[in-house]
Amino acid sequence: GDSVTQMEGPVTLSEEAFLTINCTYTATGYPSLFWYVQYPGEGLQLLLKATKADDKGSNKGFEATYRKETTSFHLEKGSVQVSDSAVYFCALGNTGNQFYFGTGTSLTVIP
Amino acid sequence: NAGVMQNPRHLVRRRGQEARLRCSPMKGHSHVYWYRQLPEEGLKFMVYLQKENIIDESGMPKERFSAEFPKEGPSILRIQQVVRGDSAAYFCASSPSLDTKNIQYFGAGTRLSVL
Repeated sequence: GDSVTQMEGPVTLSEEAFLTINCTYTATGYPSLFWYVQYPGEGLQLLLKATKADDKGSNKGFEATYRKETTSFHLEKGSVQVSDSAVYFCALGNTGNQFYFGTGTSLTVIP
Repeated sequence: NAGVMQNPRHLVRRRGQEARLRCSPMKGHSHVYWYRQLPEEGLKFMVYLQKENIIDESGMPKERFSAEFPKEGPSILRIQQVVRGDSAAYFCASSPSLDTKNIQYFGAGTRLSVL
């Protein structure tokens, strides 16, 4: 069945460091891929999405490219800020009604 | 346009009591999804509903859990005879239609604590 495997955390970075959070997926057909962010005590907010191979999603300096050949959707940001501290979830949506979520990666950015 | 509204935000129950979690989807959304997030884990799908219909409940525990989305009013996730293992954050999401390109919009969640 469909699934998402996400890099385990926690990740701690200094401000302005480069961020990569790995995400790979298993799916039949042509899923859409998403990154959600969850700040402490809050729900999930959509960060970015890509709906087909080679699409690049981007938002707030974050980027992820839908790579069908490597079944990956890695999240990157060139220079993280303290305000980026949160838990990041990779998710997959396929034909049907479920989203499949990774286990989440906790990011802490220190000044 | 209000987002997905969940209440209560925090719910404390003693073992054996009932828990009722409410979710009002975004305006114009007719699809509702419930997820459970256990500590240090990702979100696990529980159930998918449209107005007055349960479409997929493959993620729901077979006993004590039920969900509804009536013609009028919010969607309700009901947990009867709660046990400590039910302690978790429960998130509701909604979408306007069934399409993989559609985003699911999440509420802030209800954090259930069972004493």
